[in-house]
Formats: sequence, structure tokens, C-alpha cells
Amino acid sequence: AQSVTQPDIHITVSEGASLELRCNYSYGATPYLFWYVQSPGQGLQLLLKYFSGDTLVQGIKGFEAEFKRSQSSFNLRKPSVHWSDAAEYFCAVVLTGGGNKLTFGTGTQLKVEL
Amino acid sequence: GAVVSQHPSRVICKSGTSVKIECRSLDFQATTMFWYRQFPKQSLMLMATSNEGSKATYEQGVEKDKFLINHASLTLSTLTVTSAHPEDSSFYICSAGGQGIQETQYFGPGTRLLVL
Repeated sequence: AQSVTQPDIHITVSEGASLELRCNYSYGATPYLFWYVQSPGQGLQLLLKYFSGDTLVQGIKGFEAEFKRSQSSFNLRKPSVHWSDAAEYFCAVVLTGGGNKLTFGTGTQLKVEL
Repeated sequence: GAVVSQHPSRVICKSGTSVKIECRSLDFQATTMFWYRQFPKQSLMLMATSNEGSKATYEQGVEKDKFLINHASLTLSTLTVTSAHPEDSSFYICSAGGQGIQETQYFGPGTRLLVL
């Protein structure tokens, strides 16, 4: 079945430590890939997106993600996490020919320990 | 960046009543708005896509007569939950953008609906 999977429901890291959030997709063709962050009281904010080209994508707030076709993955990374990064992170896809309809993963809740 | 607002942010209503949620794009015109529903600790599920001046397109399993969507202008879409029941309690989120894949969607902060 077609799906977007975020294997980690919760992740806790110490401030200053590196971070990697996993995202895998299961579709016949490579979809367009996105990472969003959801903070309480705020709308989802786009961190970065991948459509084509360079497989390492830079985003806002120091985040980056790498598309790996062989692994059907689009993992989000940050070298040094700040306490303000604590939030819910969603991986999302748009299928080719699917208009602009986003399909979201189940999300990963990030907790940052000071 | 572009700002999308939702009103109200929270609403409590009695079972059987109808509730209207507004989604506004404050500083841009949105040809397309999307409505999502998010259950606690779960992902966002797309309910419908609304295009200005035309009927909304509902996702499979979403009752169009229960969740009425109106997109009367390029800056306003409304979602009306008719004859609400406790199982309709949820977090409703809208986004605004264009129809093209490469057009970024901008999300509202969400509306928490509790039906008693």
C-alpha cells in the first residue's frame, strides 16, 4: 500500500546534539517530498522540500534533508539542536499527477533536554 | 511569509448544532484551500480541496453534506460542520495556496472543536 512512514513517534535529544528524523515512503514513483514542523498554537511551517536535482536539500532554521532513492527515504537532519526546535515534525508527499494534495506521515514528537 | 488565519481557535458546541470555521489568507490570494482533520497524536488527514468559485472536492469517506465547504473569495474559505456529534470533535486545519505542485501551502493555526 502507498504510505508515508515516520518510524519514530517520539525522540528526545539534548540541546546541542545532532538530530535525525526518519521518513520512508512507499510509492511506485518518486513523489515530491516535504518536511513540516508544527508548534502549539501555530500553523504547520514548511522546513524544506525536494522536487528534483541535488538530493541534499537545505531548509530553514538550519535543517537539511537527504533524498535517497535506493532506500525510499527522506530523512531530516540538524547538526546542533536548539531548545526551540521542540515540536512535532511531519514528513509529507505529493504524488506526481496528484495536484497539490499533501499526504502526511504520522509525525515525530521531538523533545529537547536542556 | 504568507499568513493564514483561522477563526475561531477553539469552539465548544452542543450535539446537533452546526459550527462554522473560517480560514482566511491575510496577505495573499489563494486559488485553492485545503481542509484537514487531525486526531490527537495522529497525522493530518485531507478532507477536501476547495477552489474559489467552484464546488469543493471531497476525499473518499468524507461526507460532503456533513462538512460543508464554501470558498466564496480568494481570501476566505469556510468549513461548516453540520449537526455536529461528539465523534466530530477534532482539530481542523486549513491551508491556502495554489493548485500547482510547486506552490507552497501555508497553514492556519487550526481550530479545536469539542462537541458535547
